[in-house]
Amino acid sequence: QVQLQESGPGLVKPSETLSLTCTVSGGSVSSGSYYWNWIRQPPGKGLEWIGYIYYSGSTNYNPSLKSRVTISVDTSKSQFSLKLSSVTAADTAVYYCARGRGYDNSNGFDYWGQGTLVTVSS
Amino acid sequence: DIQLTQSPSFLSASVGDRVTITCRASQGITSYLAWYQQKPGKAPRLLIYAASTLQSGVPSRFSGSGSGTEFTLTISSLQPEDFATYYCQQLNSYPPFTFGPGTKVDIK
Repeated sequence: QVQLQESGPGLVKPSETLSLTCTVSGGSVSSGSYYWNWIRQPPGKGLEWIGYIYYSGSTNYNPSLKSRVTISVDTSKSQFSLKLSSVTAADTAVYYCARGRGYDNSNGFDYWGQGTLVTVSS
Repeated sequence: DIQLTQSPSFLSASVGDRVTITCRASQGITSYLAWYQQKPGKAPRLLIYAASTLQSGVPSRFSGSGSGTEFTLTISSLQPEDFATYYCQQLNSYPPFTFGPGTKVDIK
């Protein structure tokens, strides 16, 4: 059974960098069959795709966040990570990691982490 | 970016009702559309992908249809555990992958 688990600080100060890690168990981030995504959801609002990384290290980001986002993968630890720089209160959200299937995620995101709330506040 | 709209935004229904939610895309996305169910405090759950393919483990009362710009999610007989918010997502053109604004299904 594939499981994803987000971890990282729940509180980040404005202008600092948000850093989260997603640990994958029961599966491998080294599989060429999947893409590893980050999605966020501000409190009471809808879902926003942040970006993905493929096992090879290739990435794709939401243009609205591209200048501030970096996603990386550590296959030895079966983890992938998100860094979002220069955060503001607008980045306060529940952050999810999720596995995407099919060529270029075409078959949707079938496994999700439980989500972690990150609050941006001084 | 491809924009998705959902209608209705909110619907009130009773157990046993047939429920239909519509998702419209701002341009054609062939059949690259997924549907998710989200309950409060939980991660979204994949219900349907490729517009009409039922995800493994999802009850058969859920079905999806459509292609191009108009899609529907149907719940044939609403059950108590189906009260939730439903999102569509386009996977045809990116970046970015986009989600619809959601449809909340509440108890009448």
